[in-house]
This record gives sequence, C-alpha cells and structure tokens, in this order.
Amino acid sequence: SQKIEQNSEALNIQEGKTATLTCNYTNYSPAYLQWYRQDPGRGPVFLLLIRENEKEKRKERLKVTFDTTLKQSLFHITASQPADSATYLCALRAGNMLTFGGGTRLMVKP
Amino acid sequence: EAQVTQNPRYLITVTGKKLTVTCSQNMNHEYMSWYRQDPGLGLRQIYYSMNVEVTDKGDVPEGYKVSRKEKRNFPLILESPSPNQTSLYFCASSPWTGGAGNTFGSGTRLTVV
Repeated sequence: SQKIEQNSEALNIQEGKTATLTCNYTNYSPAYLQWYRQDPGRGPVFLLLIRENEKEKRKERLKVTFDTTLKQSLFHITASQPADSATYLCALRAGNMLTFGGGTRLMVKP
Repeated sequence: EAQVTQNPRYLITVTGKKLTVTCSQNMNHEYMSWYRQDPGLGLRQIYYSMNVEVTDKGDVPEGYKVSRKEKRNFPLILESPSPNQTSLYFCASSPWTGGAGNTFGSGTRLTVV
C-alpha cells in the first residue's frame, strides 16, 4: 500500500541551528513533492515544491532535496528561529490526488 | 487578497441533520479539494475537483458529497452527519498545471453530537 512517513516525534533544536526534517514514501511515483507549514488550529501554508526531476530547491532559509531512488525528501531550515516552531507537512502529488504525511512538529528554543 | 474562504468556522450539529460547508476561492484556480484532519491520522483528502462539473473521490469520501457548478465554489455536503464525522475540515485550491502549492482555507471545526 502507499505510505508517506514523517517522524511523528517532535524535533527540538536550539535557535540558530539547522533543522532537518525527513519525508519517506513507498509505492508512489510522485510527479512532485510539496512542503507545508501548519500552526495549531490553522490551515497549512505552502512553502516549497520540488519536481521529480529536480534534486534541490531553495527559498531564503529553506532548502528541500528530493531523492526518487531513496524515495525520500529532506527539508532544511537554516539559522532556525523560535518563530519557525510549527508542524511541517510533506505532500505527494501522484495522479490527481494530493496525499499528506502525518507531519513533524518542530520546536526551536531560544 | 488571494484567499480561500470557508464558512462557517465552527459548527455544532446533531446526528442526521443535513449541513453544507461552503468554500470559495478568488484566484481562478482549476483544482479544489476538501480534507479532514484528525489527531493521529493527519490530513486526508475527501474529494477533489479538477474543474467545473469534474469531481472525484479522495481517500475518505464516504458520507460526503460535493458539487462544482462554478469555478470559484466547492461546497462540502453532509447529507446525514454522524459523530465519526466530527473533525477539522479544510478546503484548498491550486492551479491545475502544477508548479504551485495549494492555498488552504482557515478551516471548519465540525462537531456532530
């Protein structure tokens, strides 16, 4: 069966460090992969999209990598700040559907 | 301002009483979808629509209906709500061509008693 896995345990890091979140998937051949940020009680906010033929994408302090051989995407936040604390979701588009992972909660401590 | 507007924000209803959650977008997006979010289960797609009069089931369509008569609107209908449909619901839209992420609404917290 198709599965998208993100680390369900919260990731706690110190301000200024780089946060790295992982998204693994099985039995998908996604056209592209997206990352979202979600704050409690609010709708997800789109951050970055990476296509199957791209290895890396950057936007300001954010970087996403996509390895279709390993079936894995890594999401990096450099120089993290307490304001980056949130839940981060990955999502795969395969066919016409968009499927989300369970999300990883990031806590950045001052 | 580009946005997806859902109404209502909060809704408490009784089992079996038909309800509609509205969703409207002002970005001329082709693709619209509904999700429910439950603790431990994450965001799951209920229905999606690729354009006017084109809808299809997502992962958890049972107990829900949708319609897409106009490009901007994509209402979610619960004909006979049950307590297991108590959840946080999100509507989202995006361009169909890809290359852009989804814009989500603020959510509707539904409680069925």
